[in-house]
Amino acid sequence: DGGITQSPKYLFRKEGQNVTLSCEQNLNHDAMYWYRQDPGQGLRLIYYSQIVNDFQKGDIAEGYSVSREKKESFPLTVTSAQKNPTAFYLCASQIAGGPTSLPNEQFFGPGTRLTVL
Amino acid sequence: ILNVEQSPQSLHVQEGDSTNFTCSFPSSNFYALHWYRWETAKSPEALFVMTLNGDEKKKGRISATLNTKEGYSYLYIKGSQPEDSATYLCASPFSGGYNKLIFGAGTRLAVHP
Repeated sequence: DGGITQSPKYLFRKEGQNVTLSCEQNLNHDAMYWYRQDPGQGLRLIYYSQIVNDFQKGDIAEGYSVSREKKESFPLTVTSAQKNPTAFYLCASQIAGGPTSLPNEQFFGPGTRLTVL
Repeated sequence: ILNVEQSPQSLHVQEGDSTNFTCSFPSSNFYALHWYRWETAKSPEALFVMTLNGDEKKKGRISATLNTKEGYSYLYIKGSQPEDSATYLCASPFSGGYNKLIFGAGTRLAVHP
């Protein structure tokens, strides 16, 4: 089955630790995204990547880092510089659109809930 | 950052009621408007991606309309069922990237039997 997987489902981090959240897709999508959800707020974009070996900061990139070495994988590292990392993290992928193409839906993974102890 | 606004924040209806909610977005440089349904313990799933002013899309009992000139979209559910209970998100890419979606905070719908 095609889809997006995220692991782990739950993650606990101690203060000062870096942790990495996994996101893998087998949909052959070029674009991948990381979002953060906090209670009462919409999904906020952390980082996105339109193509392998390239990525851009979203609206709340401070304290996070990503890599895009393979088309299928877009891991997110939450560093100790992120002051309030407790949140629900969603990964998504999409057929990349542009000014001359119709927009495409995003496909989401099941999410990772990160808690700082 | 320009915002996507959704109202109401939450809604409780009885089974069989019809309901609707609103998504407002900046109308300048409009490219697309997305609607997603997010059921508890599941991943968000796309309902509609809309681009044309005046467009109306339908999927079963759910339909959506789009007004790009005034910057709003309505989502309608006819004859709500308990399985329609979910958070409904809208999003629009207008902040400098065709694929960079800005999401509203969502409307949480609860349908009571």
